[in-house]
Amino acid sequence: KAGVTQTPRYLIKTRGQQVTLSCSPISGHRSVSWYQQTPGQGLQFLFEYFSETQRNKGNFPGRFSGRQFSNSRSEMNVSTLELGDSALYLCASSSSVKGYTFGSGTRLTVV
Amino acid sequence: GENVEQHPSTLSVQEGDSAVIKCTYSDSASNYFPWYKQELGKGPQLIIDIRSNVGEKKDQRIAVTLNKTAKHFSLHITETQPEDSAVYFCAAGMAGANNLFFGTGTRLTVIP
Repeated sequence: KAGVTQTPRYLIKTRGQQVTLSCSPISGHRSVSWYQQTPGQGLQFLFEYFSETQRNKGNFPGRFSGRQFSNSRSEMNVSTLELGDSALYLCASSSSVKGYTFGSGTRLTVV
Repeated sequence: GENVEQHPSTLSVQEGDSAVIKCTYSDSASNYFPWYKQELGKGPQLIIDIRSNVGEKKDQRIAVTLNKTAKHFSLHITETQPEDSAVYFCAAGMAGANNLFFGTGTRLTVIP
């Protein structure tokens, strides 16, 4: 059974640019959540999508957005990148019964 | 909102010894408490979880205990092995809500 797939694995962007990250959940999982992981702040919840609708949102600025497609694949977008956005972005999918399964993440470096 | 504190931040144990990691949470509404293990270059992996209707759960060498009154829960690893070396995260939230609040992590090193 395929796990959660995140692409790309690594990304380097320049301040002011925008970036789109992709997440393919485990087949049959309809919920996709996104987290930002940094050494200083740990794992912080960005948002959760379920059946193409944002169901929960963390405390991040509007530059961080996401969407979910009918096949449950999800993308997150960060506009006007700042140096502080450098982080590991993790996607997790879940079913109604089991807890999260995380992907390996996308490591974003903003220079 | 929920606030999860985790201690210690680093822990070194001899192979074969036990390791204990402790977490506290602030929101009495939280009823789901998972533990994750993160190895270098990988995402966190769920190793055990507990819901607030039980006080203890075991899975081979791993056990989790929950004290709802004191709002704290702990991870116990017995007979540690070098492959247990990783960063461990506790988390708290509402079952089914899919937005967890994580502790800051414990780097466990098992010395052969």
